[in-house]
Amino acid sequence: EAGVTQSPRYAVLQEGQAVSFWCDPISGHDTLYWYQQPRDQGPQLLVYFRDEAVIDNSQLPSDRFSAVRPKGTNSTLKIQSAKQGDTATYLCASSLDWGPSQNTLYFGAGTRLSVL
Amino acid sequence: GDSVTQTEGLVTLTKGLPVMLNCTYQTTYSPFLFWYVQHLNEAPKLLLKSSTDNKRTEHQGFYATLHKSSSSFHLQKSSVQLSDSALYFCALSEGGSNYNVLYFGSGTKLTVEP
Repeated sequence: EAGVTQSPRYAVLQEGQAVSFWCDPISGHDTLYWYQQPRDQGPQLLVYFRDEAVIDNSQLPSDRFSAVRPKGTNSTLKIQSAKQGDTATYLCASSLDWGPSQNTLYFGAGTRLSVL
Repeated sequence: GDSVTQTEGLVTLTKGLPVMLNCTYQTTYSPFLFWYVQHLNEAPKLLLKSSTDNKRTEHQGFYATLHKSSSSFHLQKSSVQLSDSALYFCALSEGGSNYNVLYFGSGTKLTVEP
């Protein structure tokens, strides 16, 4: 079974540029999460979806960040006008909303973003 | 609000020695605790999890016991190997309507030396 796939693996930007991250969750997983992991810190939730609906985006900087999951499968996280403080690894995870593994998150390898 | 505390940022040990990585938590819900391990440039992977008070959970030589009385879920191994060098994160499931969401501690970097 394929795991969570993310692309690109790396991105380097100048401040003010835009970037998009793409995530393909494990097939059949209804819940998808985007986490931000600053260097040497734990992952911090940005937003999560159940199917195509946003469940919680309260930690997403709404003026520059946006996330969509239009068909309840793949998802895109976009940063408009990146800042140096956005430098981090962006992790996508997925899970099933039912069954014995309902709160087990499966992570992708992440996209490492550097904003110069 | 809910939170997870890992007190050690860096732990360096010689191969074959025991290790304990500390994790304490704070929540108003019934806790579900996790340990994730992240090797260099890889995805975080679930190591073990528990919601049962005072029951030892084991996987791949690591073990932890959830103690609700002390709000702790420390990770232990009796003899570390070079391949155990990685970042270890303790995480808490929030419960309530956001029961699927995990909140992570700041992580402990374990380095095992020959």
